[in-house]
Amino acid sequence: GIQVEQSPPDLILQEGANSTLRCNFSDSVNNLQWFHQNPWGQLINLFYIPSGTKQNGRLSATTVATERYSLLYISSSQTTDSGVYFCAVESRRGQETSGSRLTFGEGTQLTVNP
Amino acid sequence: DAGITQSPRHKVTETGTPVTLRCHQTENHRYMYWYRQDPGHGLRLIHYSYGVKDTDKGEVSDGYSVSRSKTEDFLLTLESATSSQTSVYFCATGGLLWVEQFFGPGTRLTVL
Repeated sequence: GIQVEQSPPDLILQEGANSTLRCNFSDSVNNLQWFHQNPWGQLINLFYIPSGTKQNGRLSATTVATERYSLLYISSSQTTDSGVYFCAVESRRGQETSGSRLTFGEGTQLTVNP
Repeated sequence: DAGITQSPRHKVTETGTPVTLRCHQTENHRYMYWYRQDPGHGLRLIHYSYGVKDTDKGEVSDGYSVSRSKTEDFLLTLESATSSQTSVYFCATGGLLWVEQFFGPGTRLTVL
């Protein structure tokens, strides 16, 4: 199956710093999502981004599908950004009749210190 | 976020006992998923459903079964729990934009 590698595995920042998280995948994808798991364990959907660029406040994401990677940018980081960031992909062409089957990377643990 | 609840939120059980976890959603989403989260593995798909009574296996389905008798409920059953099934279990749903998934709060299961 498709392989998903995230880097770095751990990242420690001071509040206000910027960061870039990377997701590499081993096959072409039709679905790519970024999630944030907060320190209480809740998983939040950040972006659905199989290609192109999207922005939502201080967060933005870019996927270069032809080169098989995606980047998540966090600007002016805040302590509430702490947690684990997951990239998840689907390589087959998902169908509306069957939903999507995601493969997750192991995540990047982000710690933002005040 | 979709209105997704999971019950119980925590459970400790013994090897060999049956366990059922429940996922309940109030958003009328068609798709529902069960994942497990373990250190070093991220999240892995166990089973999923694309409609009432329509289910299929995911990546790590051995030892698990599911049922979906109505849109709002998706049950995950461990017929005979083993210590290797100690994990955090997440339910997710997918709605109108069917490729996106939204997660419940998780259930921490410990099998002794």
